[in-house]
Amino acid sequence: DQQVKQNSPSLSVQEGRISILNCDYTNSMFDYFLWYKKYPAEGPTFLISISSIKDKNEDGRFTVFLNKSAKHLSLHIVPSQPGDSAVYFCAASAWNAGNMLTFGGGTRLMVKP
Amino acid sequence: GAGVSQSPRYKVAKRGQDVALRCDPISGHVSLFWYQQALGQGPEFLTYFQNEAQLDKSGLPSDRFFAERPEGSVSTLKIQRTQQEDSAVYLCASSPNGGGQGLDEQFFGPGTRLTVL
Repeated sequence: DQQVKQNSPSLSVQEGRISILNCDYTNSMFDYFLWYKKYPAEGPTFLISISSIKDKNEDGRFTVFLNKSAKHLSLHIVPSQPGDSAVYFCAASAWNAGNMLTFGGGTRLMVKP
Repeated sequence: GAGVSQSPRYKVAKRGQDVALRCDPISGHVSLFWYQQALGQGPEFLTYFQNEAQLDKSGLPSDRFFAERPEGSVSTLKIQRTQQEDSAVYLCASSPNGGGQGLDEQFFGPGTRLTVL
């Protein structure tokens, strides 16, 4: 039973346009959400996070939005660059779970020049 | 500075063979996590250490899986009598603090790709 779901396995976007990656979760105990980026043959690297007390967090070209009532979050990348091409994982954590992360299945983003 | 390192990067084992995967976390990091990532899926939690104490091993799929961190730094994940379904990338992550202090960023190693024939 997947607690964190990324329903789009892949996404293709033109350079300069906006990329929107979506993530849904079911566990209402989750109170911290993260996005990780992964290149082939490397481990995931942290990108951006958001606490459940906020609905938006922005860092440069990356913005994460959280809709708690819908149990949905999204990552916006504007403008998209070819170097953003990677697999993006949504992850969630609960305060009482020792910082253990529950990951979605990932979305492969391809940014075309 | 040095990040999280894992060895070997690739391991091929015959079914039934025992394997040991090593993780060197970032120096001084208190927390250490092991995750298993099957092909085309996201990482799944296996076990968590705070210093040398294994505080959570709820994700270990069977009693063939065993992890240790005897001195609170390097960790080893051992898989006994490997099966084909054990084929996956095994990721190690470390974070500066223990649980309960707010969420720490987890820094991941490159993983060990295990293939069981």
